[in-house]
Amino acid sequence: GQQLNQSPQSMFIQEGEDVSMNCTSSSIFNTWLWYKQDPGEGPVLLIALYKAGELTSNGRLTAQFGITRKDSFLNISASIPSDVGIYFCAGRYNNNDMRFGAGTRLTVKP
Amino acid sequence: ETGVTQTPRHLVMGMTNKKSLKCEQHLGHNAMYWYKQSAKKPLELMFVYSLEERVENNSVPSRFSPECPNSSHLFLHLHTLQPEDSALYLCASSQGIGLAGGYEQYFGPGTRLTVT
Repeated sequence: GQQLNQSPQSMFIQEGEDVSMNCTSSSIFNTWLWYKQDPGEGPVLLIALYKAGELTSNGRLTAQFGITRKDSFLNISASIPSDVGIYFCAGRYNNNDMRFGAGTRLTVKP
Repeated sequence: ETGVTQTPRHLVMGMTNKKSLKCEQHLGHNAMYWYKQSAKKPLELMFVYSLEERVENNSVPSRFSPECPNSSHLFLHLHTLQPEDSALYLCASSQGIGLAGGYEQYFGPGTRLTVT
């Protein structure tokens, strides 16, 4: 089925470092999205990708829709303490359904 | 503030209780969703409503009963739940359902449900 494998599960980095996380699947998706969830809150959309090969930035965040349509990555440059949280990838393959990765928990040490 | 509110934020209920979760969106969207988020598991889509009609029901047990009286409100009625139903229940809304840009889902803060 359309399962997403997100890695790494967790990351501990120093403030100022760059971060990279990714999602892969054995199935094709038509849309890839990246969300961030803070404790006690719902996920907030960071970046949406609609075409294979698309590379999109949002401030210090950059995400790409893999050319095979089976993967996506998210990079965060020059991390800051407020980047702490759980990052989720999500893939959409039909109108109604969206599958989520299990999340990458990011900890940033000042 | 994403424009999607959920009440209550926390709920503790016994297995014989009946309770309801409420979601309201102030974004003028036409589609609404219920998700279940359990610890260390991916979000699980439960129900999808488009223009107040249910378009998706992902094999959810009948002890969860959704209701969408209008495009701005979504309820999840709970009865005779099990301890394994304890989780964060998230509501989301989108402009419509589809793959095109502009149909991204916006989430509420969730209701933390504990079943004792």
